[in-house]
Order: sequence, then structure tokens, then C-alpha cells
Amino acid sequence: SQQGEEDPQALSIQEGENATMNCSYKTSINNLQWYRQNSGRGLVHLILIRSNEREKHSGRLRVTLDTSKKSSSLLITASRAADTASYFCATVPGGGRRALTFGSGTRLQVQP
Amino acid sequence: DVKVTQSSRYLVKRTGEKVFLECVQDMDHENMFWYRQDPGLGLRLIYFSYDVKMKEKGDIPEGYSVSREKKERFSLILESASTNQTSMYLCASIPLDRGRRETQYFGPGTRLLVL
Repeated sequence: SQQGEEDPQALSIQEGENATMNCSYKTSINNLQWYRQNSGRGLVHLILIRSNEREKHSGRLRVTLDTSKKSSSLLITASRAADTASYFCATVPGGGRRALTFGSGTRLQVQP
Repeated sequence: DVKVTQSSRYLVKRTGEKVFLECVQDMDHENMFWYRQDPGLGLRLIYFSYDVKMKEKGDIPEGYSVSREKKERFSLILESASTNQTSMYLCASIPLDRGRRETQYFGPGTRLLVL
């Protein structure tokens, strides 16, 4: 199975609501990143949190990391229709390999 | 801004054909990666390269090879395309960053259909 597993697989909310997506992983990590993908396009980096950090903010995004539970969450506050996209967590393992390991993603639909 | 480009957005090939997917980045990045993306499976790493003429297998290298003759260009080769290689292919790059930011820059993707 994937190193990163997102939950839920799909999420539909109304504009203005908050959206929370969760990610679990299996091995030790150097950092965890969240990416966004608009339909049929490449991925865009959103935010990175290091293994020694517990929470990070960037605009309307809030990411938490719990290394004891090997899990992370991405919160998008006051969602907009333009936030409709797929969101992926990706981990950089400890030990030097720099390639990311991705989860299967959460498809977010924000209804106007 | 970093720009990663891929040679084609859409490609249709026949079973058995040799297929080249090209990726070019304009920011002098040392590290380049090829992923494939399939529904429900996320992105899976095919090959990556740390520098010119250097390559390493990722998690699913079977049926693929790569070439890195110039720093800015990383090619993915399907020696004999098969229908199970129908997928979205994404290229990414990252600089040799001692600070280890690790943020990858992605191209727009190539959607390949093998008939």
C-alpha cells in the first residue's frame, strides 16, 4: 500500500466551510509536504512541515504533524470554489532518499 | 519562477511502439524525477536522476528506461509500449539544496494512451 494514505478519498463542502484532510504514513520521515492538483494538471506545492515541527500555517492553510501517530492533517479555512482540486500528502523519508512518496489523494469539491 | 515543461500534453501510441517523453527544466536543478499517476494509486516513482548521466530506479521501473545527457533534460523511454502503461506521466525537479527544502516543481503532465 501507499506510504501516505489520505482520508477521506473525497470531500464535498459548501463555500465558506472548513475542509480537513488527513494523511497517515508508515516509516520515519524527514518532512511531510502537501500538494494540490487541479484537474488534469501538474502538482503545485502548498506547504512543508518538518519532522520536528508540530504545526504550520500559510494563509488559509494549517498543517499539523503528529510523528508519534505518523499522521498529518491539512485544514483549509473559509473554503472557496477555487479550492476545488485534489490534495496529496507526500513524505520525504529519513535516510537521504530525496524522492517523494505520495498518497492516493483527497478529491475536494467546494460548492459555490 | 521555476519552469518545468513536458514535450506533450496528450499522446496516443500503439502497443509495441517506442515512446519518448521529454522533460526540461530551466533552473539548473540537479535532481529530476519521473512519476506516473493512476486513479486511486496516487503518484508512483518510476526513475530519478541526481545529476547528468546518473540514474536510479524508483518504485516501479519495469518497462521503462531513462536518459539524462544534459542537466536540464530528463527523458523517459518506454521501449515497447503496453496498454498497462496508459497513464498520466509527471516530471519534477528539485535543486541540490543543502537546506533540504525538498519542494519539488512539477511539469503539467503528459497523458499517454496506449492502444
